Amino acid sequence: DQQVKQNSPSLSVQEGRISILNCDYTNSMFDYFLWYKKYPAEGPTFLISISSIKDKNEDGRFTVFLNKSAKHLSLHIVPSQPGDSAVYFCAASRGGADGLTFGKGTHLIIQP
Amino acid sequence: DVKVTQSSRYLVKRTGEKVFLECVQDMDHENMFWYRQDPGLGLRLIYFSYDVKMKEKGDIPEGYSVSREKKERFSLILESASTNQTSMYLCASSFANGDLNTEAFFGQGTRLTVV
Repeated sequence: DQQVKQNSPSLSVQEGRISILNCDYTNSMFDYFLWYKKYPAEGPTFLISISSIKDKNEDGRFTVFLNKSAKHLSLHIVPSQPGDSAVYFCAASRGGADGLTFGKGTHLIIQP
Repeated sequence: DVKVTQSSRYLVKRTGEKVFLECVQDMDHENMFWYRQDPGLGLRLIYFSYDVKMKEKGDIPEGYSVSREKKERFSLILESASTNQTSMYLCASSFANGDLNTEAFFGQGTRLTVV
């Protein structure tokens, strides 16, 4: 049973426009959410996170929104740049030492 | 900067071999994790450890074991490699802060092919 879902395997966005990546979760015990970016043949790199007590967190061009009632979060990238082309993973945690639960990823392609 | 180092980028092993994947982190993190990444399946947790000599099963532990004799080192062991264990293996570590959450830092990955 998939607890973290990214329903779009790929997304194509024009350079300069907004990229919106979506993620849904089913486990109400999750209280910390993260986004990771991954290039081929490299490990994932941490991008941005949000605690369940917040509904928005912003870091430069990246903003994560959390809607707890809908069990939905989204990552906004504005403006999108060619270097943003990568696979983006949504992840969730119940806290403590438990490992992160990941979605299957969304391949973001930024078109020039 | 946090550094998580995996001993090999690429490995090719034969079916039935015992395989060791090594991971070292230099930030004195308490928690360490092993994931595998497969196309269309995302990252799946194999095992994790929250302290020396402690280990916990993740979502897909079958066919694997782990060892954590020192805080900075976490080894993944494939007792008898099989072709369905061909995958990208990713090690990660994180700081333990009670019940508070922190992000995990990943190594560069080991692409294992079992033939």
